[in-house]
Amino acid sequence: DAGITQSPRHKVTETGTPVTLRCHQTENHRYMYWYRQDPGHGLRLIHYSYGVKDTDKGEVSDGYSVSRSKTEDFLLTLESATSSQTSVYFCAISEPLGRDANYGYTFGSGTRLTVV
Amino acid sequence: QKEVEQDPGPLSVPEGAIVSLNCTYSNSAFQYFMWYRQYSRKGPELLMYTYSSGNKEDGRFTAQVDKSSKYISLFIRDSQPSDSATYLCAIGGSARQLTFGSGTQLTVLP
Repeated sequence: DAGITQSPRHKVTETGTPVTLRCHQTENHRYMYWYRQDPGHGLRLIHYSYGVKDTDKGEVSDGYSVSRSKTEDFLLTLESATSSQTSVYFCAISEPLGRDANYGYTFGSGTRLTVV
Repeated sequence: QKEVEQDPGPLSVPEGAIVSLNCTYSNSAFQYFMWYRQYSRKGPELLMYTYSSGNKEDGRFTAQVDKSSKYISLFIRDSQPSDSATYLCAIGGSARQLTFGSGTQLTVLP
């Protein structure tokens, strides 16, 4: 089981400030993801990465940027936080499930972000 | 139309009931089907997965896929209060590119 650590666990920030959330994994998995979860919307993909310096946008990428300079770290930056970005943010990795060569997502514990 | 639709509930059942949770999807190319369980204030965790039509059983849980109808289900037999959680379906053309449903909140009453 991949060790995934998200930091911080909770954050309150002011509108207009930049915010960076960190996701750290310990097992060198290639694919990493950032999701946001809001009531009524489920999990929505913000950005994902398929290797160092290789990233791509998800369905709700506006206002967010990401960086992956090392395999183990995937950073999500809110360039200028807005109240609409108040949400719970989850990082995930894709890892093998077992002998059948399928993959599944393992999620971190989440970051609860409030923009005031 | 969303690619994956899931009834948000909430769903409340008595202990011991059979629970049926469902998702529909629109893309016939989707071939990976997963169910995640999420307890309150926790991250989702993988519960079951399959990539073929038919049934897959694991203890009290059965995942069912009908590709012709683009419809998947999760059945929980002999439901327990510990099954109270939000259940999310996840479907995709690749196991690394999944689209999640909005989740169904389930409460099992003792």
